[in-house]
Amino acid sequence: AQSVTQLGSHVSVSEGALVLLRCNYSSSVPPYLFWYVQYPNQGLQLLLKYTTGATLVKGINGFEAEFKKSETSFHLTKPSAHMSDAAEYFCAASWTSGSRLTFGEGTQLTVNP
Amino acid sequence: DAGITQSPRYKITETGRQVTLMCHQTWSHSYMFWYRQDLGHGLRLIYYSAAADITDKGEVPDGYVVSRSKTENFPLTLESATRSQTSVYFCASSRGLSSGTDTQYFGPGTRLTVL
Repeated sequence: AQSVTQLGSHVSVSEGALVLLRCNYSSSVPPYLFWYVQYPNQGLQLLLKYTTGATLVKGINGFEAEFKKSETSFHLTKPSAHMSDAAEYFCAASWTSGSRLTFGEGTQLTVNP
Repeated sequence: DAGITQSPRYKITETGRQVTLMCHQTWSHSYMFWYRQDLGHGLRLIYYSAAADITDKGEVPDGYVVSRSKTENFPLTLESATRSQTSVYFCASSRGLSSGTDTQYFGPGTRLTVL
């Protein structure tokens, strides 16, 4: 079955440190890939997405992600964490037409001063 | 620009009662979705709709009913609420691009507690 796995339900970094959130998908067919962010008591909002073309995708708030087909991965990075980055991050994939998404379990990012 | 709204934002009900969660979007998006968010499970799709009068089951549809008589509204009904349906419910909408590259836009969520 097609699925999305996020390694690490909780990630803690210091302010100014590199942020790395991991996402892998399981399927022989590469999907379209998305990262969403959820701030406390809010809905999800799109950070970035990979559809076709350049495999390094830049998103909002300084985040970027790289699609690696050989590793079935789409890890999210940010060079320097800010306190405002503390949130839950969800990786999602689309294998079908019609916008259906399969979500990972989410990673809670904590940024320490 | 109201976007996508959900009501109520918080609801407490008792086991066996019927509950309806409302979702309204102002973008005339074709697709609408209902998810539930539970610790350790991420977001799981309950039902979705490709257009008015077209709905389909998602991953966890049991115990839920949906309808979509108008493009802008997509209510979710729990016909007889159970404690296992205590969760945060999110509605989302998208334009419904056939390529599957579409962005989903999420409402603020409804926190439902079933006692």
